[in-house]
Amino acid sequence: SQTIHQWPATLVQPVGSPLSLECTVEGTSNPNLYWYRQAAGRGLQLLFYSVGIGQISSEVPQNLSASRPQDRQFILSSKKLLLSDSGFYLCAWSAGQTYEQYFGPGTRLTVT
Amino acid sequence: TQLLEQSPQFLSIQEGENLTVYCNSSSVFSSLQWYRQEPGEGPVLLVTVVTGGEVKKLKRLTFQFGDARKDSSLHITAAQPGDTGLYLCAGAGVNSNSGYALNFGKGTSLLVTP
Repeated sequence: SQTIHQWPATLVQPVGSPLSLECTVEGTSNPNLYWYRQAAGRGLQLLFYSVGIGQISSEVPQNLSASRPQDRQFILSSKKLLLSDSGFYLCAWSAGQTYEQYFGPGTRLTVT
Repeated sequence: TQLLEQSPQFLSIQEGENLTVYCNSSSVFSSLQWYRQEPGEGPVLLVTVVTGGEVKKLKRLTFQFGDARKDSSLHITAAQPGDTGLYLCAGAGVNSNSGYALNFGKGTSLLVTP
């Protein structure tokens, strides 16, 4: 069966510090991968998606970036965090040419 | 971006009551998913509807996709405290150029009290 991991689970970082969140998927090959941000328990904002290694598409302009160094690894980064980067970050995967997405447990980021 | 409006935003009911939540858009979707999210966790996929007019049942939950594939509803019969959570709908655009990315609504937050 497929599983998706995210870490860390929670993170408190000062403004201006760097960020690295990691997401890995097990039990599937060539997944589509997604990063979302959710504010205050409401809707999900798509940040990045990837259909293959090294292929990253950005949905919104921001000071965040994403990378996919391996087939089942997706990383969200920032060089300098802003207060507005606080939120709940979710990674998700979908299989091949399908729309059903399966989410990880999320990372709660607080920028102070 | 194809906007999905969910209503109501918040709903508080007692155990045993029935309820319906709605997901509406002016755009046509090739498919629509419903997810449930509990606090501090990732959303969990409940169902996917694809065909206009389609009805799917998952125990006490009934999902319907509008005939024109622009809207959907979720009906819960005899709600239980375990149904508490944030219900999110998400649509895949007909002419999407964003891979297989979904547009999510802002969700309906449901609280079922004993």
